[in-house]
Amino acid sequence: DAGVTQSPTHLIKTRGQQVTLRCSPKSGHDTVSWYQQALGQGPQFIFQYYEEEERQRGNFPDRFSGHQFPNYSSELNVNALLLGDSALYLCASSVIQGSTDTQYFGPGTRLTVL
Amino acid sequence: ELKVEQNPLFLSMQEGKNYTIYCNYSTTSDRLYWYRQDPGKSLESLFVLLSNGAVKQEGRLMASLDTKARLSTLHITAAVHDLSATYFCAGPGTSYGKLTFGQGTILTVHP
Repeated sequence: DAGVTQSPTHLIKTRGQQVTLRCSPKSGHDTVSWYQQALGQGPQFIFQYYEEEERQRGNFPDRFSGHQFPNYSSELNVNALLLGDSALYLCASSVIQGSTDTQYFGPGTRLTVL
Repeated sequence: ELKVEQNPLFLSMQEGKNYTIYCNYSTTSDRLYWYRQDPGKSLESLFVLLSNGAVKQEGRLMASLDTKARLSTLHITAAVHDLSATYFCAGPGTSYGKLTFGQGTILTVHP
């Protein structure tokens, strides 16, 4: 059973550029959440997608946008990159099972903005 | 908005010793999660605690939840080097789906 997968593994961009990160959820999961983890910090929630719609959003600017496809995979887009966007971007998938909705994390995409 | 605080942030232990990591949170949260992260790696789910008084154990790790005190603990028994990692607690608060993480506790176990 494949877990959560993300691509690419690493990415180097320059300020002002745009980037797209991709995520495939764990088999059977229909909800995808995106997090940003700066070095030495805990993950910060960006947004969550369910049924191809953004269900919740954290405190991130509109430069951060996303999409979920009918097969539940998801993309995170970041426009007008800033140096401060350098971080590990984590995708997590989940599904409601009874009373729990544990989020399972992918390996992450390490984004470096120069 | 939920705030989650962990302490200590750094923990250096000798093998064979016991210790506890504390996770305090600011508002009602009906569940609490513990994750482990190895350097340069993603997060691995350890425990989900669903109700007041919940206790879960896996190997040398035991987690508990006190919703009245808004406190969760992760107890380490007879630490071994393989437990060296960063441990995070996280909760959804009243906001379904969004997880708010603590700062993480960096655990180093020495021989």
